Amino acid sequence: DSGVTQTPKHLITATGQRVTLRCSPRSGDLSVYWYQQSLDQGLQFLIQYYNGEERAKGNILERFSAQQFPDLHSELNLSSLELGDSALYFCASNSLGFSGTGELFFGEGSRLTVL
Amino acid sequence: GENVEQHPSTLSVQEGDSAVIKCTYSDSASNYFPWYKQELGKRPQLIIDIRSNVGEKKDQRIAVTLNKTAKHFSLHITETQPEDSAVYFCAAGLPSSNTGKLIFGQGTTLQVKP
Repeated sequence: DSGVTQTPKHLITATGQRVTLRCSPRSGDLSVYWYQQSLDQGLQFLIQYYNGEERAKGNILERFSAQQFPDLHSELNLSSLELGDSALYFCASNSLGFSGTGELFFGEGSRLTVL
Repeated sequence: GENVEQHPSTLSVQEGDSAVIKCTYSDSASNYFPWYKQELGKRPQLIIDIRSNVGEKKDQRIAVTLNKTAKHFSLHITETQPEDSAVYFCAAGLPSSNTGKLIFGQGTTLQVKP
């Protein structure tokens, strides 16, 4: 158990719909990262938040957005869903700065299927 | 932009043989190079990492080497076992920076045949 919690574990929805994925980081971690893993694909970095503020942006589509709340949990919002958005979405957390080792701790992922 | 290339995409070895996976990275500022193992349907988990002030690191049957000048690093697994079968990802990052994000390679599917 990494200490990172993601919900829901599985989600099936239709094209054009909107979904929200939720992540609770490890206790004490201020930084949350979102990654997308499509079938037979690597881990694509989407976005990072640190203590409520956006820190880095990767290949995140404009239809996707995220935020981190004061209690440090994060949500990834996916809208106007397309078939190609079907993927495993991972959240990871760690401690930045000199106290951090650099290791990312991953949650179990949320598998999104768009029909 | 930042990029990590990983080869091969698939690797099949006999139990007991060695396996080598290679990665190259583009951002010369990167100084942290972890390797993650992902079993089917599971989350990626760190198996070993190396920092740029070290050229080689070993942990039992696994070892990593880093060539900062050439910007490439490799994972070596000796005496492979069936339970080593999984997808392996290399990554590069800069933990001391404003962002600790990791850029991952495309993954290598390792199959160890009994």
